[in-house]
Amino acid sequence: AQSVTQLDSHVSVSEGTPVLLRCNYSSSYSPSLFWYVQHPNKGLQLLLKYTSAATLVKGINGFEAEFKKSETSFHLTKPSAHMSDAAEYFCVVSAWGSGTYKYIFGTGTRLKVLA
Amino acid sequence: DTGVSQDPRHKITKRGQNVTFRCDPISEHNRLYWYRQTLGQGPEFLTYFQNEAQLEKSRLLSDRFSAERPKGSFSTLEIQRTEQGDSAMYLCASSLGGQAPEFSNQPQHFGDGTRLSIL
Repeated sequence: AQSVTQLDSHVSVSEGTPVLLRCNYSSSYSPSLFWYVQHPNKGLQLLLKYTSAATLVKGINGFEAEFKKSETSFHLTKPSAHMSDAAEYFCVVSAWGSGTYKYIFGTGTRLKVLA
Repeated sequence: DTGVSQDPRHKITKRGQNVTFRCDPISEHNRLYWYRQTLGQGPEFLTYFQNEAQLEKSRLLSDRFSAERPKGSFSTLEIQRTEQGDSAMYLCASSLGGQAPEFSNQPQHFGDGTRLSIL
């Protein structure tokens, strides 16, 4: 069985300070992990993905995430927040099992960036 | 790559009316997914197609909902006899896919959704 937990429903940071959005996963099989961003009234945009290659994954807009198998975590970070980063972020796990696979979404983290 | 497009972007209708949404996936993608998203929540899976075959439907998809992908390209989602609880954002996504493990790492690409409001 697979599941994903986003540990914070809301995160507030000041512009120019680091961003940390936390995601823990559970999977019986080797997972693929994704982070998506969703701005108001828009669809989900892929930020980055982990697919069993390098454990440190770089994405768009300066975001990166590190896959830590021992901690079953895939936290999203950015060194310096920008006002345009304010949005909802979703962590997603996908893993093959029992002859199929499916996207499992976390409940989302709303990032607020303060001027 | 023109992305996934959905039409209309917004739909306002009265309770009891039928509505139909369209999704045009990325052309080379054989899988197409429909999700529903309510305010403050993550997307909930409704159904997906591989080419023209509808391979899975969620229990959320009541008999008032029907989806088609007649030629394995665009898809339509129809809701009959709409209810207040159907108000939501309906998202479409597409990806490469297949019944093999290597496809589990393929990302889904989302459209901007259709926001349905029931009066």
